Formats: sequence, C-alpha cells, structure tokens
Amino acid sequence: DSGVTQTPKHLITATGQRVTLRCSPRSGDLSVYWYQQSLDQGLQFLIQYYNGEERAKGNILERFSAQQFPDLHSELNLSSLELGDSALYFCASSASGTASTDTQYFGPGTRLTVL
Amino acid sequence: EDKVVQSPLSLVVHEGDTVTLNCSYEVTNFRSLLWYKQEKKAPTFLFMLTSSGIEKKSGRLSSILDKKELFSILNITATQTGDSAVYLCAVYSGNTPLVFGKGTRLSVIA
Repeated sequence: DSGVTQTPKHLITATGQRVTLRCSPRSGDLSVYWYQQSLDQGLQFLIQYYNGEERAKGNILERFSAQQFPDLHSELNLSSLELGDSALYFCASSASGTASTDTQYFGPGTRLTVL
Repeated sequence: EDKVVQSPLSLVVHEGDTVTLNCSYEVTNFRSLLWYKQEKKAPTFLFMLTSSGIEKKSGRLSSILDKKELFSILNITATQTGDSAVYLCAVYSGNTPLVFGKGTRLSVIA
C-alpha cells in the first residue's frame, strides 16, 4: 500500500458525460501527478500540481482539467467523454516539486469505462 | 520528442532463470531513470538511478545505468512466479516529470 488513495475504483459512464476522479496523496507529499494508462499507449503523463499550483503539463486534452485543493487532495475532471477515454487513470504523489529527484508513489487507479 | 524504449516487450522464463530487461532512452536534459513493477494495479517503485556505473541492488533485483550509451538494465536472478509482472522504465527529463516506456511483460512459469 503506497499511501495514495483514489476514488472511485471503477466508473462506468456514457459518451458525452462528465466525471470527476479524486486522489489523496501520501501524508506530507506536496506534489500530485495524474497519468492515463491505456493498452496501446502505456502510461502517459497528464498533469502535475505542486502545493495547489499547476507545475507541469503533459498530453492532457482540453476536455480534461484538474485542480489541487488546500488540503492537497486533487481532482481530475473529464468532460464530453468519448469511447477512447476508457482507460486506467492513476494518481501519484511525491514529497516535493523537484520531480527529478523525487520518487513518485502511485495510487491503485480508477478504471474508467465509457460506453 | 522524449522517448523511452524497453525490450523485450514480453518474456517467458522458468523459475530459477536469470533475466535481463533493457531500457534505452532519448530525452532532453536527462535527470534520472526509474524502474517500477506493475502487477495487477499500481506501479510500485523499485529503483531510481542517477549516476552511471553504480549498481543498485535489492534482494534478487539489481539495476545499472549507462549515461554514455543512454540505457539501463534490470536484472532478476533466481526468478520466482511472484516476479511475474510488467516492468516499467521511466525517465525524468527537463520537459516532463516522467516519460514511461511501454514495459516488459515477464511471465515466470513453475
């Protein structure tokens, strides 16, 4: 158990809908990262927040957004969902914003299925 | 564009065998390389490598980095069925927190 929690574990929804995924980092960690893992693409970095501020952005679609709250938990919002958004979404956390020397610890993931 | 390539994509071995997994990378401003093990769900951290030639070791697993040739290897000796997993290599570059390879799926059969 990494100490990172994610809810819900599974989510099934329809195309065009909007969902929110939630992540609580390990105690004391200030950075939260979001990743998407699909069968053909592997793990893709979406976005990083550090202490409430956006720190780095990867291949995140405009339909997706995220935020980190004062208590350091984070939410990833996915809207206008398409079939291709079906994937496993991971949250990871690390102690600081200095990504290159930090170990990232991953949560158990949320499996999103869009029908 | 930053790139991490792992080989082989999949591997089937018998218990007791030794395996070597490969990871090569092309990234701007390399900072560090990480190995993760992914079984059914979340990747779990194995090693972080930042310096060439220094072996990191944990039990039957070991890893080394070659920054000149831009690759790393992960060795597993005396494999057990519990080693069956996808092994992921990831690199920190100046641009992106972590760039992952597609992984090597290792199956260890009794």
